[in-house]
Amino acid sequence: SYDLTQTPSVSVSPGQTASITCSGDKLGNRYVSWYQQKPGQSPVVVVYQDDKRPSGIPERFSGSSSGNTATLTISATQEMDEADYFCQAWDTNNVLFGGGTKLTVL
Amino acid sequence: QVRLQQSGPGLVKSSQTLSLTCVISGDTVSSISAAWTWIRQSPSRGLEWLGKTYYRSSWYSDYAESVKSRISINPDTSKNQFSLHLNSVTPEDTAVYYCARDSGLSFDFWGQGNLVTVSS
Repeated sequence: SYDLTQTPSVSVSPGQTASITCSGDKLGNRYVSWYQQKPGQSPVVVVYQDDKRPSGIPERFSGSSSGNTATLTISATQEMDEADYFCQAWDTNNVLFGGGTKLTVL
Repeated sequence: QVRLQQSGPGLVKSSQTLSLTCVISGDTVSSISAAWTWIRQSPSRGLEWLGKTYYRSSWYSDYAESVKSRISINPDTSKNQFSLHLNSVTPEDTAVYYCARDSGLSFDFWGQGNLVTVSS
């Protein structure tokens, strides 16, 4: 089966840049979406089709993908960005999610 | 703005059927550009896509292999909603269940989530 792998946790200081990665075989050949989930809330899409940002999502959120790795980058990270982040891709007749990365801003 | 409102019981006994409903506002279950999905989340399994229903001149449903023998997702056009039925549940099916819209690009709108506990 096809798997998406994420680092379980990332820490960043306020104002710095956070990078969250998602890896999978030939992931660059698939479109990747990223979701932010805060405690007790439903996930919210922050990046789709690798690098597109939905309306209402701050410009500090950006995405890229190449080879086996997709990356979510949060520039000038704010305390409100502390959350779990999940990558997602489509496989044949299936949808895959990464295990999630807990972003701590301190 | 699309809104998804979920409802259903929070406790189900083992071997019985888990049933949840998702009411759609701001879009239609018969949309030819969207699919209507159920996703669950648990500490042991993370986020897990369960399946979807969608209309493309006819109604179709696709299901995850892990639950294919036990699941049905059905549209109700008269109420603009869709439902999840998962039978023969076990404690491993305990999770927060979400309905969501699949726009073809992402899951762009989600319901509020329902914690469903399966008692043994």
